[in-house]
Amino acid sequence: AQSVTQPDIHITVSEGASLELRCNYSYGATPYLFWYVQSPGQGLQLLLKYFSGDTLVQGIKGFEAEFKRSQSSFNLRKPSVHWSDAAEYFCAVGDYTDKLIFGTGTRLQVFP
Amino acid sequence: NAGVTQTPKFQVLKTGQSMTLQCAQDMNHEYMSWYRQDPGMGLRLIHYSVGAGITDQGEVPNGYNVSRSTTEDFPLRLLSAAPSQTSVYFCASSLGLARRAETQYFGPGTRLLVL
Repeated sequence: AQSVTQPDIHITVSEGASLELRCNYSYGATPYLFWYVQSPGQGLQLLLKYFSGDTLVQGIKGFEAEFKRSQSSFNLRKPSVHWSDAAEYFCAVGDYTDKLIFGTGTRLQVFP
Repeated sequence: NAGVTQTPKFQVLKTGQSMTLQCAQDMNHEYMSWYRQDPGMGLRLIHYSVGAGITDQGEVPNGYNVSRSTTEDFPLRLLSAAPSQTSVYFCASSLGLARRAETQYFGPGTRLLVL
């Protein structure tokens, strides 16, 4: 069965600093990979997704992620973080069984 | 479009009571799913449906029932509530299947407390 690991439970960065959130997956074939963001008290919103083609994926709000098959990773990056980016970020993997499996999330705190 | 709506927003139950969490979408989406969110556990898939009349189990289906009689609605039933079911429940829908990497649209959530 597929699984997703987000090794960082909580990350703190200063506003304007760069950001990288880690995501590792376990799946035998080419996975479908997603990053979602959840603001406090809200539902989840899609940031970006990968299913084929270019391994560097651009998303909303200035985020990007790179699929690295050799490392089974799909890390999320942003060159300059804004205070409004403070939220919880979830990586997810989907497969041919139609299930979408989420990681445990990384909470991002941004200091001014 | 209202998107994905969930009712109620908040509910308190006593152990052993039953209730139904409602979920509706007005986007004509085939795929609908229910997740529960618990601290440190992320979102875990309870049940999902790939179309009217078709449902299947996710990671944590025990204690929950679903049905999909229409495209728009996907209610989640708790047959006999237990304190372990205290959680925040999210409903989501997408145009197609997870296997096609379709974007899922999430409702605002239902916060459930079982005493």
